[in-house]
This record gives sequence, C-alpha cells and structure tokens, in this order.
Amino acid sequence: GAVVSQHPSWVICKSGTSVKIECRSLDFQATTMFWYRQFPKQSLMLMATSNEGSKATYEQGVEKDKFLINHASLTLSTLTVTSAHPEDSSFYICSAFGPLSNSPLHFGNGTRLTVT
Amino acid sequence: SQELEQSPQSLIVQEGKNLTINCTSSKTLYGLYWYKQKYGEGLIFLMMLQKGGEEKSHEKITAKLDEKKQQSSLHITASQPSHAGIYLCGADIKNSGGSNYKLTFGKGTLLTVNP
Repeated sequence: GAVVSQHPSWVICKSGTSVKIECRSLDFQATTMFWYRQFPKQSLMLMATSNEGSKATYEQGVEKDKFLINHASLTLSTLTVTSAHPEDSSFYICSAFGPLSNSPLHFGNGTRLTVT
Repeated sequence: SQELEQSPQSLIVQEGKNLTINCTSSKTLYGLYWYKQKYGEGLIFLMMLQKGGEEKSHEKITAKLDEKKQQSSLHITASQPSHAGIYLCGADIKNSGGSNYKLTFGKGTLLTVNP
C-alpha cells in the first residue's frame, strides 16, 4: 500500500492566487521530505528538501518566496505555490524515505497544477 | 548535460518480447533506483541497487548495476501490456551520504507493449 499520500491530485487556479499541496507520510515519521517538479516528457527535478522543524533547503534556481515549504510535523510537509502564474503549471511530486531506516524513497501520487 | 542518461527514450515492443533499458552516468552511482510511472501519476518503486555488480529480480524484471557503478540496466522478460509505462532511473550521484540522500533522475523511457 501507499506510504506517502499527496493531496490534491489535481488543482486548477487563477493567476495570482496561491495553492497549497500537502504531502503526508502514512504510519511513519519523516523528518525529511523531498519536493520534485516534472514537466511533460522531462525528468523529475528536485526543488527542495523539506526538514521538519527547520527551514527547507532549496535547489539552485528555485525561488524560496515563490515555493513556500512548511514541515510543521513529522508526518506532514506542505508546498505552497504563491502568486501562481501559468508557467508554474506542472506536476509536483513529494517523496520520503521510509518507513524503515533502510527503506527506499517512496513517492506520492503527485499533484497536477494548472494555472489559468 | 544530463547527469543520468537513459536509453532508449521510447520503446515499442510486441507482447512476449524481451527488452532492456539502460541508465548511464559519467559519475559514480552511490545508490541506483528504478521506478515505474504512469503518466500523471506518482512513481512506483521497483528496485534499488547499491553494490557494484549487484543484480536483483522481481517477477519478470531484472536490474543490474555494473562493477564500476556507472551503468545500470533494467531487463523485462516476456513483456506484458501491464509493463507499459515510463521507467525512470534515479541515483545519488553526489554521494550525499546519510539516510536521506538526494536523487537525480534520468528523463525516463516510455515503454509501449502492443498486445
């Protein structure tokens, strides 16, 4: 069964609005979660590493103020796309290692964001 | 340039045929993962390889990591329509270390299996 849950699966929003995407680890604690972005026919690009109780670590070229990450609990990380623009339309996927210490990286089902 | 090169980019095979997908890097692969993705969905973990020369199998899928840890292959035997999807290799190429290393991904291989 799924070990990482992501919500919503898809969302459509208007330009200028903000959208929040949730990523939950199911039945295990994830002190670290990863947010990826995927364009059509492209590979996954790591956006940031979400750290529970501290600031997220962003990859080069990713705007911190644009993509707000909050990891307030050991089972939940959120990605908020602020002041969304059409170019932010993409597929966003979160992931976490778990539930065991030697478990592989598991992914959520992703969120399809369309900004109109 | 892409740090992880996958080939081929797409592949169409007849049901029952064998196929191989490759994942190559100029850097050492400290942890190599294979995933399967349906378009617009999340990634399903297939296998993880860490040691040079390691080989793992699950049902009709076999993954290998070469001795130099710079190339991996995914082999599907007697393919079925259910094998269709996008296959992605991901690896820790920066030797991030620890238990939460970052993965870099290839662009994926789109596999179509015709009945």
